[in-house]
Amino acid sequence: NAGVMQNPRHLVRRRGQEARLRCSPMKGHSHVYWYRQLPEEGLKFMVYLQKENIIDESGMPKERFSAEFPKEGPSILRIQQVVRGDSAAYFCASSPGGVRNQPQHFGDGTRLSIL
Amino acid sequence: GESVGLHLPTLSVQEGDNSIINCAYSNSASDYFIWYKQESGKGPQFIIDIRSNMDKRQGQRVTVLLNKTVKHLSLQIAATQPGDSAVYFCAENTGTASKLTFGTGTRLQVTL
Repeated sequence: NAGVMQNPRHLVRRRGQEARLRCSPMKGHSHVYWYRQLPEEGLKFMVYLQKENIIDESGMPKERFSAEFPKEGPSILRIQQVVRGDSAAYFCASSPGGVRNQPQHFGDGTRLSIL
Repeated sequence: GESVGLHLPTLSVQEGDNSIINCAYSNSASDYFIWYKQESGKGPQFIIDIRSNMDKRQGQRVTVLLNKTVKHLSLQIAATQPGDSAVYFCAENTGTASKLTFGTGTRLQVTL
């Protein structure tokens, strides 16, 4: 399966800890997007990255959240000092290029639970 | 702010019947729309897309209709099967950005 791979699938953290979510895009895709989903809701855009560049982070909270997509390795969404409100499913999507009007393909998400 | 929304939160359909899932959008500048299917515990799965220079697009058992005059999008599923049971989201490409704006979803329940 050459789809978008996310890990871990489930992550449990206590308040104040750090959460790291990883995403490997589809083969040949150089654009990565992170979305967040609360139960019974649609996905909300967080950040759009290309290799080594953040293109659009308009959906990212100003504090505690950061994202990167290094030259080598997966994209990482990092949440510092987690709080209960961070509990959600976090989805990563990828697309082949910077051309608009191409479908984004999603992974199966990381479900983050904060105790 | 502008958003994409759905009229019906839950739709129950008998197996074999056709399903129609509706979506209203408010951003007249949107020019690309996608329908996704999301099963429990999984990520959104691409179904079909349509650009604003088209009114209709067909796939295997699915058809998307776009009415730009009233800013309405619909997904038609022919001969609905139990495996079609899921939550369906419409999403739009917002402005010049590449991010997608999702609606809140419609749950499709297929009864035997």
